Amino acid sequence: AQTVTQSQPEMSVQEAETVTLSCTYDTSESDYYLFWYKQPPSRQMILVIRQEAYKQQNATENRFSVNFQKAAKSFSLKISDSQLGDAAMYFCAYVGRGSQGNLIFGKGTKLSVKP
Amino acid sequence: DVKVTQSSRYLVKRTGEKVFLECVQDMDHENMFWYRQDPGLGLRLIYFSYDVKMKEKGDIPEGYSVSREKKERFSLILESASTNQTSMYLCASSLLEALNSPLHFGNGTRLTVT
Repeated sequence: AQTVTQSQPEMSVQEAETVTLSCTYDTSESDYYLFWYKQPPSRQMILVIRQEAYKQQNATENRFSVNFQKAAKSFSLKISDSQLGDAAMYFCAYVGRGSQGNLIFGKGTKLSVKP
Repeated sequence: DVKVTQSSRYLVKRTGEKVFLECVQDMDHENMFWYRQDPGLGLRLIYFSYDVKMKEKGDIPEGYSVSREKKERFSLILESASTNQTSMYLCASSLLEALNSPLHFGNGTRLTVT
């Protein structure tokens, strides 16, 4: 069975600094996607970034980028120039070809941003 | 933009009551999901549906049932609410055919069972 592990329950970053959130996963599938979702205090889960397993190039969305290490099954999220609005729960998620779109989520990392 | 609407943001029910949580999406998505979110446990899948009248059990279906009579609506039912079902419930939808189709979430329903 596939699993997703986020080893950092809480993280803190100074405004304007860079922070990296860790995620590892376990799978025997070769065709899959990985996602990072953000859940601010408003509770609305929002997609931050996605990565296809076949693409070696790391995905980037503005200040958000990933470090995808397929062999190590690692998928970390880097947030550059952190802003107060980045404070949220961040969830790493996995979906494989045979899962009918059913994402498997990590337990989340709570990110605090200090002014 | 896809809109997923959950009927209640906060709900307080008594033990033993039958509880309905409603979710509606407006983008003709085939997949719909119900998750439960608890601190330290992340999101756990209760049930999902990939078509009208179809349903599949997730990781924690006990004590819950679902109904999908129309494509846009997916209801979660607690037949007899218990205090251990006090939680945040999130509904989501996505396209069936696209593996990379992201989940679109509702705002969540915080249910308290007393």
